[in-house]
Amino acid sequence: EGHLVESGGGLVKPGGSLRLSCAASGFNFRTYTMNWVRQAPGKGLEWVSSISATSRDISYADSVKGRFTISRDNAKNSLYLQMDSLRAEDTAVYYCARVGVPLAVAGNFDFWGQGTLVTVSS
Amino acid sequence: DIQMTQSPSSLSASVGDRVTITCQASQDISYYLNWYQQKPGKAPKLLIYDASNLETGAPSRFSGSGSGTDFTFTISSLQPEDIATYYCQQYENLPYTFGQGTKLEIK
Repeated sequence: EGHLVESGGGLVKPGGSLRLSCAASGFNFRTYTMNWVRQAPGKGLEWVSSISATSRDISYADSVKGRFTISRDNAKNSLYLQMDSLRAEDTAVYYCARVGVPLAVAGNFDFWGQGTLVTVSS
Repeated sequence: DIQMTQSPSSLSASVGDRVTITCQASQDISYYLNWYQQKPGKAPKLLIYDASNLETGAPSRFSGSGSGTDFTFTISSLQPEDIATYYCQQYENLPYTFGQGTKLEIK
């Protein structure tokens, strides 16, 4: 069964940068589309970004476009989110999540990590 | 963007009750609709995918139905461990969007 573990969260000042990582195990990472989803404190879920298995298809929410960059290293079974020009409204728990069908670009999110908290504050 | 409207936003019910949550999409999303359960401090968990398919390992008291713009999530007999917030999510179009959530409490 698949397992996802996020890391890299923390406290950062407005305008700063942070790089999140998501380590995958227990499944053939290189055949699955991966996503980042975030949840601000006490709020609902917001999809942030998606990257297909080969990195050919990449998408972003408008709220992060131009500031965040998603990437993956299939040799290291790892997913990343480079977050630049951070704002207070980016404060959230960030989850990585797997699309449940191999090679599908879209679908259900069947595995989720435990999340990593990013706090943007001066 | 496709807007997903869930109702109610909160719900109080008794153990053994039948519970229904609805989700309405702002445009036709066919069957591209998933339901998740999130307990406090935990990651969301997939329960229903493609509107009506029960995820492996999810209890059979959970079910989903609908297509197009109107969807329903049902718990046939509420159990104490079902206390959580439930979200619908569409993946017919980017950006993928979630409903605002339904917080379920035990009466």
